[in-house]
Amino acid sequence: DAKTTQPTSMDCAEGRAANLPCNHSTISGNEYVYWYRQIHSQGPQYIIHGLKNNETNEMASLIITEDRKSSTLILPHATLRDTAVYYCIVRVEGGGADGLTFGKGTHLIIQP
Amino acid sequence: DTEVTQTPKHLVMGMTNKKSLKCEQHMGHRAMYWYKQKAKKPPELMFVYSYEKLSINESVPSRFSPECPNSSLLNLHLHALQPEDSALYLCASSQGFGWNTEAFFGQGTRLTVV
Repeated sequence: DAKTTQPTSMDCAEGRAANLPCNHSTISGNEYVYWYRQIHSQGPQYIIHGLKNNETNEMASLIITEDRKSSTLILPHATLRDTAVYYCIVRVEGGGADGLTFGKGTHLIIQP
Repeated sequence: DTEVTQTPKHLVMGMTNKKSLKCEQHMGHRAMYWYKQKAKKPPELMFVYSYEKLSINESVPSRFSPECPNSSLLNLHLHALQPEDSALYLCASSQGFGWNTEAFFGQGTRLTVV
């Protein structure tokens, strides 16, 4: 699986959009970009994933650059409950189960 | 039901004890996973079960012994652990086949070895 690079930490004001970047310059054509988050003392939670088109769901939006070498997770209206470590993961899909390889992630702190 | 249930939530055990961690899901998922997470570190994959068969062992010491009695249950048997094995142990499940499958995680068992 391709390696990802994320900032160690970020702050965002409550009610504002939180934009979390991820670099994955060695991503392959068949690798998807996944985002998970882990709130303190809880298990990781799936947020969103995509291949090359932008994606949106009830939690967030995922913007993937045209060359697919980077992406941005957007939380449109951040709340205090969004304070968590956010992990960007790239992985090949299809076939069997192979587990997730977590990088260090970004610790997002939402400020009141 | 999109829940992965892990028991116990907390466990303290001595280095000579034998204990087991349990994980259960009723989503019909055919892949189940054990992860270990040390404080302020990301989760690390330990084992993967696919269709109730062990498919990946990430060079985990034999004092950790996984077991998958059926498609809904996953156990992790612990014996002769060391204090450095103290960590949060996370169980996860996923569909296990096809494309774009997300993983669902339990809340973890916080293990302390004394």
